[in-house]
Amino acid sequence: DGGITQSPKYLFRKEGQNVTLSCEQNLNHDAMYWYRQDPGQGLRLIYYSQIVNDFQKGDIAEGYSVSREKKESFPLTVTSAQKNPTAFYLCASSMTVDEQFFGPGTRLTVL
Amino acid sequence: GEDVEQSLFLSVREGDSSVINCTYTDSSSTYLYWYKQEPGAGLQLLTYIFSNMDMKQDQRLTVLLNKKDKHLSLRIADTQTGDSAIYFCAESRGYNKLIFGAGTRLAVHP
Repeated sequence: DGGITQSPKYLFRKEGQNVTLSCEQNLNHDAMYWYRQDPGQGLRLIYYSQIVNDFQKGDIAEGYSVSREKKESFPLTVTSAQKNPTAFYLCASSMTVDEQFFGPGTRLTVL
Repeated sequence: GEDVEQSLFLSVREGDSSVINCTYTDSSSTYLYWYKQEPGAGLQLLTYIFSNMDMKQDQRLTVLLNKKDKHLSLRIADTQTGDSAIYFCAESRGYNKLIFGAGTRLAVHP
C-alpha cells in the first residue's frame, strides 16, 4: 500500500529533552512538509523540503530541526528550545503543486 | 490580512444539506482545497477547485468559488453521521505552500 506513515502515534517528553518524530512515504513524492496543529487553530507550517538534501523554514521553525537525507524520509526533531511543544504534528508529501497527502499524525505531550 | 477564515462550528440534522464557508486572502491563489479531518487522524483531501472555475461537483459535494469576494463554500448534500468531522479550507500560496483556515467542526445529529 502506498502512503505516509508517522511514528510514534503518541509521544511523551520531559521538559529539556529533544525528541524526533518519524515520517516516511512510499509515494515517490519529491516534496515533504511538517505542520503543527493546536486546538481550534489551523495547520501551521514548520519546515518543508522540495528535494533531497534541501529544506526551508516555514512559519514557525524556531525550536525545530529537520533533515532530508533520503527522498522517502523527513524526520522532525523537537528541541528543548521549543517552549510550547505539546501539539499534534502532521507530516505531508506532494508531487506537484496539487494536493498534499497527509500522514495520521503524532501527538506529542510534554510532561 | 494573511488569514484564511472559517466559522468554527456547524450543526445540521441528518439528511439535510451542510454548507461550510471560507474566505481567503490571496487573489492569485491557483488552487483552493477542502480537507476533512476525523478525530485523532490526519487530513484527507475531499476536493479542490482551480481558480478559474466557479463550481465543481463531485457526488454529494459541491464547491462554489466567488473570486470577486474571495469566498469559497463546500456543500454536502444529504449529510450523514459519518460526515461529522473538522473541515479545513486551504489556499495555495506559492510553490507547494498551503495556508489553512482554523477548521469548521461539523456536528450531524439525528
